[in-house]
Amino acid sequence: NAGVTQTPKFRILKIGQSMTLQCAQDMNHNYMYWYRQDPGMGLKLIYYSVGAGITDKGEVPNGYNVSRSTTEDFPLRLELAAPSQTSVYFCASSLPGSDGYTFGSGTRLTVV
Amino acid sequence: AQSVTQLDSHVSVSEGTPVLLRCNYSSSYSPSLFWYVQHPNKGLQLLLKYTSAATLVKGINGFEAEFKKSETSFHLTKPSAHMSDAAEYFCVVSGAGGATNKLIFGTGTLLAVQP
Repeated sequence: NAGVTQTPKFRILKIGQSMTLQCAQDMNHNYMYWYRQDPGMGLKLIYYSVGAGITDKGEVPNGYNVSRSTTEDFPLRLELAAPSQTSVYFCASSLPGSDGYTFGSGTRLTVV
Repeated sequence: AQSVTQLDSHVSVSEGTPVLLRCNYSSSYSPSLFWYVQHPNKGLQLLLKYTSAATLVKGINGFEAEFKKSETSFHLTKPSAHMSDAAEYFCVVSGAGGATNKLIFGTGTLLAVQP
């Protein structure tokens, strides 16, 4: 029972580099989400998806892109990394109408 | 719009004493409310949730929370703290009605448990 799997767990990027944070779930959840967590700020929603082929912006989407080609996968793309994107990123999934999320274990990203 | 306010950023208790973590909410709808816990360098785990059934909600590890509409509060309590309860706790409200299930997080309360 893998749940939500995020890779990598840690990453250091240089300013201007790009990378993709991977997220996969094996629970057949329709809904998937990306959050970032900054100290003292709680979690902020970056992007979310209600199904394959459908994505929408959350509260803090600037500097990020997503795609949802399958139900299982929801990668988050950073095109031009900036120090402000240093954060811990969490992927989550849920069923429609379900109020409980299943979270991944997070990716700690540092941009230097 | 929905929002939650966690009234304390840090709470420190002694082992064996009661825990109270305070949360007030604002919602235009009948809200769904949650408490999540995050242990150091870990992901988030659901402690309990309120979804318009019983106002006193029991969760895992002996935690419970009471929904009080008149006070717009959803405080988290535990009768006796354990060292393993040291973690960060997030009060969360489900976003505006609709199919997206978006969750809105409070800023967190860091609970320290002293021996």
